Amino acid sequence: NAGVTQTPKFQVLKTGQSMTLQCAQDMNHEYMSWYRQDPGMGLRLIHYSVGAGITDQGEVPNGYNVSRSTTEDFPLRLLSAAPSQTSVYFCASSYEGGTEAFFGQGTRLTVV
Amino acid sequence: AQSVTQLGSHVSVSEGALVLLRCNYSSSVPPYLFWYVQYPNQGLQLLLKYTSAATLVKGINGFEAEFKKSETSFHLTKPSAHMRDAAEYFCAVSAPGVNNAGNMLTFGGGTRLMVKP
Repeated sequence: NAGVTQTPKFQVLKTGQSMTLQCAQDMNHEYMSWYRQDPGMGLRLIHYSVGAGITDQGEVPNGYNVSRSTTEDFPLRLLSAAPSQTSVYFCASSYEGGTEAFFGQGTRLTVV
Repeated sequence: AQSVTQLGSHVSVSEGALVLLRCNYSSSVPPYLFWYVQYPNQGLQLLLKYTSAATLVKGINGFEAEFKKSETSFHLTKPSAHMRDAAEYFCAVSAPGVNNAGNMLTFGGGTRLMVKP
């Protein structure tokens, strides 16, 4: 059982470039989410989805885009990378609202 | 909206000493509360959770936490620290049933636990 799989693990981007962080889960969870982790700030919610075709903004959505065409996949798109988006990104899934979330291993992104 | 405050971004204890990591929350409805642990360069792993059953919750690796509604606290404890407990710990809250946003986890800033030999 793979759980939540994120790719890539590491990425370096130049300012202005775009890219997609991939997230897939094999637990048939309805809820999926993206967080960014910055020192001293814990994890902050970027976007989330409560089912295929349904997405919404979290606390820090600017500069990011998401879609959810299948239950399994929830990619995060950086539209035009900025140095402020240098962070560690985590994807998570949960069976239903309010319950424990299962996390991927993270993507460490550096924007230069 | 719910929120979490973790007091102390760094905590240092000696091996064998009591571990106490503090977490206070704010929620407009009875919350669900979680403690996660993150080892270096890894994702987050659930230590324990409170979902309105027993107020004293036991988790993995000898950790436990007590939900105190009157103090809006959910502090994490372990009687005797091991070197392998050195990691970052995150407290999180959700407000189930309020709306979709409330169902998502809100995290505190994290506490890095250092264990001295």
